[in-house]
Amino acid sequence: SQWGEENLQALSIQEGEDVTMNCSYKTYTTVVQWYRQKSGKGPALIILIRSNEREKRSGRLRATLDTSSQSSSLSITGTLATDTAVYFCATDAGVVGQLTFGSGTRLQVYA
Amino acid sequence: EAAVTQSPRNKVTVTGGNVTLSCRQTNSHNYMYWYRQDTGHGLRLIHYSYGAGNLQIGDVPDGYKATRTTQEDFFLLLELASPSQTSLYFCASSVGTGEDTQYFGPGTRLLVL
Repeated sequence: SQWGEENLQALSIQEGEDVTMNCSYKTYTTVVQWYRQKSGKGPALIILIRSNEREKRSGRLRATLDTSSQSSSLSITGTLATDTAVYFCATDAGVVGQLTFGSGTRLQVYA
Repeated sequence: EAAVTQSPRNKVTVTGGNVTLSCRQTNSHNYMYWYRQDTGHGLRLIHYSYGAGNLQIGDVPDGYKATRTTQEDFFLLLELASPSQTSLYFCASSVGTGEDTQYFGPGTRLLVL
């Protein structure tokens, strides 16, 4: 799982496998946002889950949120080599205009 | 989709040098941000702004100044660069209300020798 000063986590899988990444956060948040950063690019939002939602799906992506344990997960089903990237979770601590990013999970998908 | 551009894309300077990183966004977002990204630390917020002339301090502001000259333009200034400021710098923007999705630029890689 990722948060704060934890070292970057790394996962290596084969194309077609499913994968789940976890994120723990320390304070209240109104949303958890998941960003993907491909090599040489800036991060980009891939899915957002609100504090009143337990699950959110978008294509092959599924995000969950457990506010009681202050944790979120991102699952990717049927991974592709193009899913290779670093994945970050981000929370807002209830502060408008500011996000705090986790340390990230590096996912390598081999074709 | 918001467009955020950064310049330069790569910069090399020496210790004690003066560096300015530029960021422009063209979607009339209120908020703009400067982050640094280092291996194992994710994205760390240096400074941010919610409008022209405004500046807010982030989590790692030491050694950095910033200035928001217009709605579109946000600059990060390193007046006495040090090797510890070698990093990948990202600018981002957001509308600044509710669920603040941030739109990132392509990054500037800075090397301080």
